Amino acid sequence: GQQVMQIPQYQHVQEGEDFTTYCNSSTTLSNIQWYKQRPGGHPVFLIQLVKSGEVKKQKRLTFQFGEAKKNSSLHITATQTTDVGTYFCAGRMIYNQGGKLIFGQGTELSVKP
Amino acid sequence: DAGVIQSPRHEVTEMGQEVTLRCKPISGHNSLFWYRQTMMRGLELLIYFNNNVPIDDSGMPEDRFSAKMPNASFSTLKIQPSEPRDSAVYFCASFWANTEAFFGQGTRLTVV
Repeated sequence: GQQVMQIPQYQHVQEGEDFTTYCNSSTTLSNIQWYKQRPGGHPVFLIQLVKSGEVKKQKRLTFQFGEAKKNSSLHITATQTTDVGTYFCAGRMIYNQGGKLIFGQGTELSVKP
Repeated sequence: DAGVIQSPRHEVTEMGQEVTLRCKPISGHNSLFWYRQTMMRGLELLIYFNNNVPIDDSGMPEDRFSAKMPNASFSTLKIQPSEPRDSAVYFCASFWANTEAFFGQGTRLTVV
């Protein structure tokens, strides 16, 4: 079936270090979204990428969508303790009726001050 | 808008009992998802509706699970009978067209 794989599952960094999580789909995506879930909370939308090769930035966060629209990455520069949480990618499958959104397993980020 | 509203926030029930989870999507949204989140399986898509019609329920684990959306402002997820392995956080999320999904606060279900 349609799958979205995300690595790594966990990442522990020292505050100030960079962080990257990667997302790969088994099928071509219509678009990809990224969400952040704080401990005990619910996923909150960060951004959506639609175009092949697209790069978007939000302050210290950089999001990329691959040329083949099957992979994506989120990079955080100089992590802060406020970045703690689980980051999910979610792929919307191309040619899929109704916009089915498949989530990756998530990468849990912990930041040591 | 108050966002996606789920109830109850917490539910503890005994094995074999019926459980009904409720969701009120954001007004104007035409699609609704039900997800289940566990440490082992992450966020699993159970079912999604488009314009109140179930489009894909392939993620529903078994016949004990059923979901309805009688109108654009209400959906339910029912588990009957419940089992301990159903313990998880259940999220409802709604969205418009191909835009971002807005999640509710979730229902933490514990089946003992």
